[in-house]
Amino acid sequence: QVQLQESGPGQVKTSETLSLICTVSGGSISIYRWSWIRQPAGKGLEWVGRIESSGNTHYNPSLNGRASMSVDTSNNHFSLRLTSVTASDTAVYYCGRGMFPGVTAMDVWGKGTTVIVSS
Amino acid sequence: DIVMTQTPPSLSVTPGQPASISCKSSQSLLHSDGRTYFYWYLQKPGQRPDLLIYEVSNRFSGVPDRFSGTGSGTDFTLKISRVEAEDVGVYYCLQSHSLPLTFGGGTKMEIK
Repeated sequence: QVQLQESGPGQVKTSETLSLICTVSGGSISIYRWSWIRQPAGKGLEWVGRIESSGNTHYNPSLNGRASMSVDTSNNHFSLRLTSVTASDTAVYYCGRGMFPGVTAMDVWGKGTTVIVSS
Repeated sequence: DIVMTQTPPSLSVTPGQPASISCKSSQSLLHSDGRTYFYWYLQKPGQRPDLLIYEVSNRFSGVPDRFSGTGSGTDFTLKISRVEAEDVGVYYCLQSHSLPLTFGGGTKMEIK
């Protein structure tokens, strides 16, 4: 049974770069699509972007080009980088697996990791 | 972007009674491949979202049969036939017809 685990620093300074890793266990990172989703405290869900095992990516335009994702098939993990962060990037960040090959909607999610942006 | 509008924003239900949540999309979610990329999730307090329904009406593995999804095109509904205490939380709809994926604003359900 596939499981996802997010990891990264819990705090990032304003204007710096947020870096997170999602480690996939119990299954291969190949053939699926992998997403990042975030949720500010007390608010709704926002899809950040996705990456395929081939490395193809798509990002939410709301992030204004600040997001980038990469995949490491050898170590079965993928990552998110978000540059020039501000307080509005403070959120719980989840990673998720696309339900079927070729589908982006997520069936398995990690437990989430909290990121606080402060000066 | 496709806008997903959920109603009501909150509801309070007596255990054993039915409940219904609506989600409307700003454009049809019927894809040219014949599938409709619409999903329902439940986020219980302090937890990650869990998939309930995929592609409008298919219950995900382990989801009780008191949950059902219906709809087509732009109008979708999640129904709970008999609400239980464990159903409390925030329900979200999601479309993956077009990028970026977009979620509804959520419906917070509490138990009376």
